[in-house]
Amino acid sequence: KAGVTQTPRYLIKTRGQQVTLSCSPISGHRSVSWYQQTPGQGLQFLFEYFSETQRNKGNFPGRFSGRQFSNSRSEMNVSTLELGDSALYLCASSFGDAEAFFGQGTRLTVV
Amino acid sequence: DAKTTQPPSMDCAEGRAANLPCNHSTISGNEYVYWYRQIHSQGPQYIIHGLKNNETNEMASLIITEDRKSSTLILPHATLRDTAVYYCIGLFSGGYNKLIFGAGTRLAVHP
Repeated sequence: KAGVTQTPRYLIKTRGQQVTLSCSPISGHRSVSWYQQTPGQGLQFLFEYFSETQRNKGNFPGRFSGRQFSNSRSEMNVSTLELGDSALYLCASSFGDAEAFFGQGTRLTVV
Repeated sequence: DAKTTQPPSMDCAEGRAANLPCNHSTISGNEYVYWYRQIHSQGPQYIIHGLKNNETNEMASLIITEDRKSSTLILPHATLRDTAVYYCIGLFSGGYNKLIFGAGTRLAVHP
């Protein structure tokens, strides 16, 4: 069974640009969550989608957004990139009330 | 979700048991204790969870005190591959998709 797949693995963007990251959950998993990991703030919850609806949201500015498609694949978008957005972005999927499985992450560098 | 407190770092000799403590004095009666770990540059990995009773799986054992104010994750025979950051998380049923990570414990397993 394939795990959670995140693409791309690495990304370099310039300040002011926008970026879209993709996450393909484990087959059958309908919940997808996104996290940001930085050396200073650690692992922080961004948002969670279930059946194409945002169910939970963390404390991040509106520049961070996401969506989920009918096949449960999810994307997150960051607009007007800032240097502080440089981070490892992790996606996790789960089935019902079960543990979350994480992908390898997308490492975003903003220059 | 309960606030958890963990020591920032611990050492363990290879082959010995690693006992990682976690204080969660504000945990609610229906809040589970979850453990995840993150090996360098990888996504977090689920280890084990419990509510009241001690739990064991192929990876680890979880000992929860009777008053549920603290718990201990036990890796019975630590290997070098167990070197990672270990996170203890308090989580309500159904909240598996919104994980609030603390700073965790950095476990170093030495030869």
